[in-house]
Amino acid sequence: NAGVTQTPKFQVLKTGQSMTLQCAQDMNHNSMYWYRQDPGMGLRLIYYSASEGTTDKGEVPNGYNVSRLNKREFSLRLESAAPSQTSVYFCASSEWGPRTPLHFGNGTRLTVT
Amino acid sequence: AQSVTQLDSQVPVFEEAPVELRCNYSSSVSVYLFWYVQYPNQGLQLLLKYLSGSTLVKGINGFEAEFNKSQTSFHLRKPSVHISDTAEYFCAVSGPDNYGQNFVFGPGTRLSVLP
Repeated sequence: NAGVTQTPKFQVLKTGQSMTLQCAQDMNHNSMYWYRQDPGMGLRLIYYSASEGTTDKGEVPNGYNVSRLNKREFSLRLESAAPSQTSVYFCASSEWGPRTPLHFGNGTRLTVT
Repeated sequence: AQSVTQLDSQVPVFEEAPVELRCNYSSSVSVYLFWYVQYPNQGLQLLLKYLSGSTLVKGINGFEAEFNKSQTSFHLRKPSVHISDTAEYFCAVSGPDNYGQNFVFGPGTRLSVLP
């Protein structure tokens, strides 16, 4: 049971470089999310996709773009990385709506120098 | 808007002692409440959830939490902790509005179980 799979696990970028974080889930969930985790701040929502074909901004969307490729896959793109984007990024999925819990991947640790 | 407060950033406790991790929330509407655990270098896992009904909910690994609407709290408890419970614990709240933006997380409490 893979659940939510994120790649890569670690990445180091120079300021201005771009990269895409990949996420796939095998639970047939409708909704997918991207969060960032910073010390003492909990998790903050970057973007989410309530269902295939839709995406919406979360709390901290600036500097990021997303693509819901199909029901399974939801990618996060940094077009021009900045040191402020150094963080741990988590992808999550849920069946539908606020009553259903989130299922998380193991995270991508990104460092921007 | 909803918010979550976890009053203790770190809680050290000796093995086999009881522990309570505090969570308070603010919301103008009914809420759903969750506790997640994060072990080192892993993602978050669901410990337990309150959606409705009985205010005392039991979760995995012997944890339980009590929903108190009047005090807007959802404290997590375990009567006897193990070394393996060392982790970070996050309280989260969601509401009946549009989904996605409703999962608001607290800053986390790092539980350290000492031998």
